Formats: sequence, C-alpha cells, structure tokens
Amino acid sequence: GAGVSQTPSNKVTEKGKYVELRCDPISGHTALYWYRQSLGQGPEFLIYFQGTGAADDSGLPNDRFFAVRPEGSVSTLKIQRTERGDSAVYLCASSFAGGGSYEQYFGPGTRLTVT
Amino acid sequence: QKEVEQDPGPLSVPEGAIVSLNCTYSNSAFQYFMWYRQYSRKGPELLMYTYSSGNKEDGRFTAQVDKSSKYISLFIRDSQPSDSATYLCAMRNYGGSQGNLIFGKGTKLSVKP
Repeated sequence: GAGVSQTPSNKVTEKGKYVELRCDPISGHTALYWYRQSLGQGPEFLIYFQGTGAADDSGLPNDRFFAVRPEGSVSTLKIQRTERGDSAVYLCASSFAGGGSYEQYFGPGTRLTVT
Repeated sequence: QKEVEQDPGPLSVPEGAIVSLNCTYSNSAFQYFMWYRQYSRKGPELLMYTYSSGNKEDGRFTAQVDKSSKYISLFIRDSQPSDSATYLCAMRNYGGSQGNLIFGKGTKLSVKP
C-alpha cells in the first residue's frame, strides 16, 4: 500500500516568509508525528497528533511553529516568519496508534531552505 | 549528556564483513527500541523493532538490547554495498501521552565492493 507522503519535497523561501508543509499519513493510521532533522543529526520530535488533537506539542521550538490535523488524516505544519535556523528536513511519520507498541513509518521529508 | 548516544562514524567495511552498530542511552524508562536505515536524501526506513531486552533476528540483521547496561546493538552479517546508509537507533517510553521517538545521531556506514 501507499506509504507516508509529504509535499513539497523541497521548499526554498526567504527569511521572514510563511511556509506550509503537508503530510499524508498511511491510511488507517490514527497517530501522526512531525520531526525535524538537521544535517548530521538524528530526527528531533516536534509534535504528535492522536486523531485530530495534538497529544504532545512539547517539541515545537517556539510559537512560530504550529501544526493542524483538522480531519484526523492529513496534517499541515506551519512556520511563520521563517529564520535561517529553520532550514532542515521536516519529516512526518504515522502509526496505528500513539502507544509505545506501535511502529512509526516515515515519509521522505520536506527539505526546507530559508535564504 | 544526551539521552541517546551513537557514534556518527563514518564506518567503512569491505563487502561480506560483519558490521556492529551500537547505541547507549541514559533513560531507564525506555522500553521500545528501533533501528532505522536512512539512505541519502530519503526518510528513515524501519529495519528492526524490539520490546524490552533480548535478541531479534531478521535475515542478515540481528538486534540486541541489554537494558541492564542501557546498550543496544545492530549486527549486519554478510554486508553488501546496498547496506551503505546511515543507521539510526531510536527508542521510546511505554504508552502515555509521549508519542515521540528519541533518536541517536546516526552512524554512516559504507560497504566497499
């Protein structure tokens, strides 16, 4: 079946602009996660949705970052007033549920470059 | 000290060698342990998944967890050039509202033909 898909695959934006990154999880997966991966680092957690609600947003670095999942499927990560330090690969993952026993499957990521 | 430590390498081995990749961690609450493979400019791909201590084998891959030492390993037998990638260890607590995985930095592996 189809895996996790993310669009766009690459996004170049100017400092100060607003960007939206989209994630389509695996069909039937109720849990969705956003991570950020900087060069040479492992992915770092940003936010986790169980259904439509954010169960844990403790990884969001500041209030410029916001994510929604209005119908419990597709999610959008929104970044306001982008800064050069936001440049990274933004990864989305999904799983059947949010508990520890469920495996997370990752999408290919969106490579964000802020110039 | 980070919660999960992983030597970033790079690690270079000849084709056919046995590869050993390792991570240490500090949080004794971790119960689930995973290994992901990540090819250049791709998302992480789940390779192995283990609950608590013990060994798990899948083809050429063996994952080991030693909770008493807070140490996990991934062994790759008969390594192939197609195994060249970055290997990420990841772990998490059991259930609750914490959904997130904690990752190591990744070890970059190169298998030379």
